[in-house]
Amino acid sequence: QVQLQESGPGLVKPSQTLSLTCSVSGGSISSGRYYWTWIRQPAGQGLEWIGRIYASGNTNYNPSLKSRVTISLDRSKNHFSLTVSSLTAADTAVYYCARSAGHPNAVDYWGQGTLVTVSS
Amino acid sequence: SYVLTQPPSVSVAPGKTARITCGGNNIERKSVHWYQQKPGQAPVVVISFDSDRPSGIPERYSGSNSGNAATLTISRVEAGDEADYYCQVWGDGGDYVVFGGGTKLTVL
Repeated sequence: QVQLQESGPGLVKPSQTLSLTCSVSGGSISSGRYYWTWIRQPAGQGLEWIGRIYASGNTNYNPSLKSRVTISLDRSKNHFSLTVSSLTAADTAVYYCARSAGHPNAVDYWGQGTLVTVSS
Repeated sequence: SYVLTQPPSVSVAPGKTARITCGGNNIERKSVHWYQQKPGQAPVVVISFDSDRPSGIPERYSGSNSGNAATLTISRVEAGDEADYYCQVWGDGGDYVVFGGGTKLTVL
């Protein structure tokens, strides 16, 4: 059973850069089958896809966030990461890491989510 | 960019059938996934690839996709079905994901 767990700061200041990590257990992020994904959800609002990374390191990003977002893999630690730069209050959200087993498959495993607040 | 449109809310009495639509231009050419999200929880996929039901999802959940609308149907609705439901596709070009705005299902 795959498990994903987000970690990172709960509070960041405007204009700063957010860094989140998703630790994966029960499976290897190096497996060629899977896509590792970040999704966020502002309070009381809908889901927004941020981007994904494949085992090869290839990435896809939401066009609306692409200039500020980077997703990377750390195979030695079996985790993947998200950085979002130039933060504003609009980036305040619950951030989920997730997995999908191929393309264009649905997301089949989700982390519990971590709340990130952007405020001075 | 590709846009998915869902009704903000749907209400249904217990035991009846709920239908939640997801509109998009020629959506029938895309694979649609549906997620259920209960308060304070991560979403769970209830229908994938238009009409496939993952293991553990009740048979009461079904999906269809035709023309410019996909539909999630929940038969014999129960109180436990009350949740937000989101549809999802891959955008034109197939390199980014689009979610619908979500539909809040209320069981009366």
